[in-house]
This record gives sequence, C-alpha cells and structure tokens, in this order.
Amino acid sequence: DAKTTQPTSMDCAEGRAANLPCNHSTISGNEYVYWYRQIHSQGPQYIIHGLKNNETNEMASLIITEDRKSSTLILPHATLRDTAVYYCIAGGYGNKLVFGAGTILRVKS
Amino acid sequence: GAGVSQSPRYKVAKRGQDVALRCDPISGHVSLFWYQQALGQGPEFLTYFQNEAQLDKSGLPSDRFFAERPEGSVSTLKIQRTQQEDSAVYLCASSFPFFSRTDTGELFFGEGSRLTVL
Repeated sequence: DAKTTQPTSMDCAEGRAANLPCNHSTISGNEYVYWYRQIHSQGPQYIIHGLKNNETNEMASLIITEDRKSSTLILPHATLRDTAVYYCIAGGYGNKLVFGAGTILRVKS
Repeated sequence: GAGVSQSPRYKVAKRGQDVALRCDPISGHVSLFWYQQALGQGPEFLTYFQNEAQLDKSGLPSDRFFAERPEGSVSTLKIQRTQQEDSAVYLCASSFPFFSRTDTGELFFGEGSRLTVL
C-alpha cells in the first residue's frame, strides 16, 4: 500500500470550509484514496473515497489531482462536531487499510 | 445488529493473564479485520478474515496473539500472557465482499475494546 503524508494538525473556524491535504506520490493505478475520521473514544468512520475523479457525498468532497499524487478532503461548513483525527489512506479496494498518524482537525468557534 | 459490536468495552488485566476480546460484525459481512491502536497513534492492522478463513495475519505482533472466526461471523482475539506493551484499544471492523455492486469498500468499525495491562 502506498504511503501517505498529512499535516500533523490544522485549525478551522466554525462555519468555514476545512481543506485537509494529503500526499500519496507513490500511489499505484489500482489503489483508491480513502478518507476516514476518528472522533475521540470512537472507532474510525468512513467519509469518502475515490480513484481518479472528484467525488462528493453528504459529508464531504474529495478532490484528486490529475496525476493522483495528492488529494484534498473538503468539509464545506465545518462544525464543532467535525473536530477529529482525519486519516487519508491509499489502498486496494476491499483490502486492509494501512493507517498513518492522520491530521488532527480542531474546529473553533 | 445495527453496527459492529465489541465486548468488553474495557478490560483490565494483570501482567501474565490471558484475555479474550469479542467482535460481532454486521450481519452478512464477509470480511472482518482486527486493528490495534496505541494511545496517540493511528490504528495498526493485526489480521483479516474472509468468512472463517484467516487470509492475513501478518500484523499479529507475536505468537501470544491469536484470532479466530470459526463460523464466519463472530470473531475472538485472544492474547496470552499479556504484557504491558499490549495495552491499547483493539478495534474490529467488518465489510461487504468486494464484488457487491452496492459496496463502497468502506470498513465499519466498532467502538473498540480498551485493554489495560497492569
């Protein structure tokens, strides 16, 4: 599985968009980009995933660069409940996920 | 059940004791994963089952760790002769088979079992 690199932490004002970057320069052609988040004392929760195209669901948008070497998770209107650790993972569909340290997102009022 | 259920939620063991952690996956989910999460770290893969077959156990840290899923549903992670470094949250996740057309590939995680070894 490709290694991913994320900033250690980020702050975001409540109501503003949170843009979380991820580098995955060694991603292979059949590997997806997955995003999960983990709120304190809970298990990780799936947010979104993509292969080549940008994706959007009710939680977030995922923007993947054309060369697929990086991506950005966008939470359009961050709330205090979005404070969590966000994990970007590059991996094969249905395979085990290899988590890194993630980005601690702090949403502040 | 509605989600992945893990028990016990909290376990305190004396060093050298054996512990067993249970995972009830979402009904019908074929794939089951165990992860270990130390304080302040991301989850680390331990082992993977497809139905009752353990297809990958490359992440088990030592032969003191053993996992089983005998009937392809409930799984148990057993740790023998616990050590202090085994203190962590143990997470279980399940998912649909990859060939399901409605599958997003997402893993559904339980809330974990927090093990403290004294």
